[in-house]
Amino acid sequence: GESVGLHLPTLSVQEGDNSIINCAYSNSASDYFIWYKQESGKGPQFIIDIRSNMDKRQGQRVTVLLNKTVKHLSLQIAATQPGDSAVYFCAGGRGSSNTGKLIFGQGTTLQVKP
Amino acid sequence: GAVVSQHPSRVICKSGTSVKIECRSLDFQATTMFWYRQFPKQSLMLMATSNEGSKATYEQGVEKDKFLINHASLTLSTLTVTSAHPEDSSFYICSARERQGASYEQYFGPGTRLTVT
Repeated sequence: GESVGLHLPTLSVQEGDNSIINCAYSNSASDYFIWYKQESGKGPQFIIDIRSNMDKRQGQRVTVLLNKTVKHLSLQIAATQPGDSAVYFCAGGRGSSNTGKLIFGQGTTLQVKP
Repeated sequence: GAVVSQHPSRVICKSGTSVKIECRSLDFQATTMFWYRQFPKQSLMLMATSNEGSKATYEQGVEKDKFLINHASLTLSTLTVTSAHPEDSSFYICSARERQGASYEQYFGPGTRLTVT
């Protein structure tokens, strides 16, 4: 079945450093992936997505890399700021499916030290 | 971006009572909405897919008679937790899917914290 998992439960970085959050998936049928940020007591907030026909996509201070060979994706946050402290989830879906279902990974807590 | 709201944001109810949670897409029409449950320090688990004008599709292990879902309009879906018990205490999050050209975008609500005493 589908599953999406994350490598580390907690990542602690110094303010100003770059952060890399990793995610592995098992279902090759997933053809798009999304990274979400969730602050305490709030709903997930979209960060960036990538389709399976791409291997890299950049946004503002964030980059997502997709390695289909090893079924791995990562989220890179440049110049991490205290406001980046949150739980980060990757989610996978199948764009060819009309249901739009997303399968979420377990989440990585990013702690930014001042 | 599109906005999805939930009401209430927090609710405390007694064991055995029912609670209704609303999910609204404020500035777009959503033929599909999703309901998730999230326990503390855990991920979001999809409970069901709500389609406007038809019955919801529940994920394996989710009791459809306990978690009643109604999607009566293109901007409103409701989740009713019937005969709530303390183990139903959780953070319930909805999302709504908006069609944008040939693709879809999914937007999440702020969540509803349910505490059953």
